[in-house]
Amino acid sequence: DTGVSQNPRHKITKRGQNVTFRCDPISEHNRLYWYRQTLGQGPEFLTYFQNEAQLEKSRLLSDRFSAERPKGSFSTLEIQRTEQGDSAMYLCASSYLAGRTDTQYFGPGTRLTVL
Amino acid sequence: QKEVEQNSGPLSVPEGAIASLNCTYSDRGSQSFFWYRQYSGKSPELIMFIYSNGDKEDGRFTAQLNKASQYVSLLIRDSQPSDSATYLCAVNMFSQGGSEKLVFGKGTKLTVNP
Repeated sequence: DTGVSQNPRHKITKRGQNVTFRCDPISEHNRLYWYRQTLGQGPEFLTYFQNEAQLEKSRLLSDRFSAERPKGSFSTLEIQRTEQGDSAMYLCASSYLAGRTDTQYFGPGTRLTVL
Repeated sequence: QKEVEQNSGPLSVPEGAIASLNCTYSDRGSQSFFWYRQYSGKSPELIMFIYSNGDKEDGRFTAQLNKASQYVSLLIRDSQPSDSATYLCAVNMFSQGGSEKLVFGKGTKLTVNP
């Protein structure tokens, strides 16, 4: 399978704990995005990387959130001191800008539940 | 605030009918427009994209773009029960720093009745 993969698929944690999610993009894709989606809403942009550089962070991304993409390959998203409001589906997408269209393909997501 | 608006639905159509899904966007600088399908509990799946005014057809799906009206639509011909899902409209938008990102609507839930 050469699609975007994410691990874990589900995470249940207690409030105040730290969690880390991993995303492996499609191998030739140089752009990687993180989104958060809650019930009844579309995905909301969190941050994106071009190769290893983090080029933009949403205002939604508080100080408790950090993302990395070492060597421009896989990426991790860490949430420190989780809160119940962090419960959501965390989606990763990757793309390769070709011409004028940057088409993003999504992974299966990591569903986070904070108790 | 740059926005993408969709009717949340639900939109219900009989099997074999044409389903019409609509989307408006606020940023006149947007250049690329995407439709994703999302089944319950799953991640978004790309259906098609469009960046030129007019129609673009792919099988039973036709995307329509009118940049002057800032309007995008998706038509699904010969709707099937397997088309029942939430359809997300996404528009590329540029931040002040020049970075590009996708902004999604809330999605329209489509139900195709056998």
